[in-house]
Amino acid sequence: DIVMTQSPDSLAVSLGERATINCKSSQSVLSSSNNNNYVAWFQQKPRQPPKLLIYWAAVRESGVPDRFSGSGSGTDFTLTISSLQAEDVAVYYCQQYYGIPWTFGQGTRVEIK
Amino acid sequence: QVQLVESGGGVVQPGRSLRLSCEASRFAFSSYGMHWVRQAPGKGLEWVAVISYDGRNKEYGDSVKGRFTISRDNFKNTMYLQMDSLRVEDTGVYYCAKDSGRWLQLIHRWGQGTLVTVSS
Repeated sequence: DIVMTQSPDSLAVSLGERATINCKSSQSVLSSSNNNNYVAWFQQKPRQPPKLLIYWAAVRESGVPDRFSGSGSGTDFTLTISSLQAEDVAVYYCQQYYGIPWTFGQGTRVEIK
Repeated sequence: QVQLVESGGGVVQPGRSLRLSCEASRFAFSSYGMHWVRQAPGKGLEWVAVISYDGRNKEYGDSVKGRFTISRDNFKNTMYLQMDSLRVEDTGVYYCAKDSGRWLQLIHRWGQGTLVTVSS
């Protein structure tokens, strides 16, 4: 199974400041056939289901604010919130959809400092 | 707006069975793969199973393989998860989720979830 490891487990960021979450996969999730990285990022607010933010490691889902961006390739990926807003308080998960079983990172809790 | 409504959760004793349902609406259900993902209390997300748009292909997570069965009825726009030989560690919220394509593309939309508690 592909293990997804996120860091840090939690972070506190001031309003308007940048938040950066890292995700490392235990093996490459880059497809040589289409040059896509099979990584998605989800946001889960308290008492809500997860919501898709980013797919193919860097493609923003429709309707997601452009302060959210994804980057990385191969085994190392990053989710960046460029200017943290109060409504961004949530747990963020990376997920690989390259190999079965699909696996998630353990989650990163983002709070306001 | 995609709508996914899970039902069938509840309290069950270890070793017993439970069947979850996910009723879909506001999209062409028979054209999309579907997933189950679960979340233990206070914990992270765990992918459970996937079924293709036509029900012919299925895959399972390691922890449920051989105990859980995913299925769908495209005439009723409903997906199911038959859970047998339940264990305490199967406790959690079970989410139904829509794929972005017919088979193993991307988890795109989620339901609100149904809580399963396995306890004696």
